[in-house]
Amino acid sequence: GQSLEQPSEVTAVEGAIVQINCTYQTSGFYGLSWYQQHDGGAPTFLSYNALDGLEETGRFSSFLSRSDSYGYLLLQELQMKDSASYFCAVRAITGGGNKLTFGTGTQLKVEL
Amino acid sequence: EAQVTQNPRYLITVTGKKLTVTCSQNMNHEYMSWYRQDPGLGLRQIYYSMNVEVTDKGDVPEGYKVSRKEKRNFPLILESPSPNQTSLYFCASSLTGGDTEAFFGQGTRLTVV
Repeated sequence: GQSLEQPSEVTAVEGAIVQINCTYQTSGFYGLSWYQQHDGGAPTFLSYNALDGLEETGRFSSFLSRSDSYGYLLLQELQMKDSASYFCAVRAITGGGNKLTFGTGTQLKVEL
Repeated sequence: EAQVTQNPRYLITVTGKKLTVTCSQNMNHEYMSWYRQDPGLGLRQIYYSMNVEVTDKGDVPEGYKVSRKEKRNFPLILESPSPNQTSLYFCASSLTGGDTEAFFGQGTRLTVV
């Protein structure tokens, strides 16, 4: 099966940079995604990495190291609206199966 | 507007009374899935479907059924709901099962008493 680990909570101040780490164990690894979820709302897609390296999308960047089974989400120039839960998710394709497994989420609190 | 629509948004039901939560997408996506979200446990995949008439178990399938008779619809069926199925449920779809983003519905908050 798959397992993912990410910190449960992170606190940062407005304007700062924060990094949310994710380590995973899985067979049939295909890619690592990141999703944002505001309280009670639907998760929304942020980024996807299939290859090693950094992907940048505006204030958000995501990094993957397949050899280390590790990735992170980097949020720059934090804003109050970034306060939300962030989930990493692993896509694994094995024996005809195709699962997307989520971590337990990191709650980010942005303070003034 | 591209969207995934779930119904109902809120449901309170009694133990053992069969219920269906509907999910529909208008993006012609092949891959659809159901998740439940519980505090501290993140999103756990219940079932997924890679195309019409192709479904498979996720990580927590016990007590649930699904069907995929049409590409756009993927209902979740609880034949005999129990209190431990009280949860927030999300349906999601993506173009394929590969590297494309998943679009989520707005969620169904189910309470089984």
